Amino acid sequence: QQQVKQSPQSLIVQKGGISIINCAYENTAFDYFPWYQQFPGKGPALLIAIRPDVSEKKEGRFTISFNKSAKQFSLHIMDSQPGDSATYFCAASYNYGQNFVFGPGTRLSVLP
Amino acid sequence: DSGVTQTPKHLITATGQRVTLRCSPRSGDLSVYWYQQSLDQGLQFLIHYYNGEERAKGNILERFSAQQFPDLHSELNLSSLELGDSALYFCASSQGADTQYFGPGTRLTVL
Repeated sequence: QQQVKQSPQSLIVQKGGISIINCAYENTAFDYFPWYQQFPGKGPALLIAIRPDVSEKKEGRFTISFNKSAKQFSLHIMDSQPGDSATYFCAASYNYGQNFVFGPGTRLSVLP
Repeated sequence: DSGVTQTPKHLITATGQRVTLRCSPRSGDLSVYWYQQSLDQGLQFLIHYYNGEERAKGNILERFSAQQFPDLHSELNLSSLELGDSALYFCASSQGADTQYFGPGTRLTVL
């Protein structure tokens, strides 16, 4: 129940295309869903996050869509750029951050 | 720059040895998390400390231990090292809830 599933494992997109990464969870106690971006050799960095009281959150080219009933959430990267090439992790937490679970990651490659 | 510092940046040691990794959280953050990331692997949660107290344990081996000091910095101790312990070790800090800010990591190589 503590798991967060993430797909696809890897994704190749052309420049200007839309990248979509999906995550699913089981534990309905989760109340915070962040996405992290990690470049090789660097630590993960928070990209965007959502709480289950909203169905969508947009920040620039990045959008989180959240489906509470399906227990799924996804990251959409519009107008994908080569600089977006990185590994993306979804995560979920509850109980004021004491229980933080990460998905296995998606390696995104954006071709020029 | 996340404001979280980790030392050393790189560490090379031999099997059977013991090492200590250090993490200084962002100013004001009371929570420190430790993660292990092996090559092409995701982030494996090891342990969480809040204001000096252990709050949660993940997949942390008995050979590993951690503590958080009164000044809130944290140390992760890895002993009886094995080849499989070679990985990136990240710490992250937060104000006790939600957003975690990750440090740059310590790359451990066990030969």
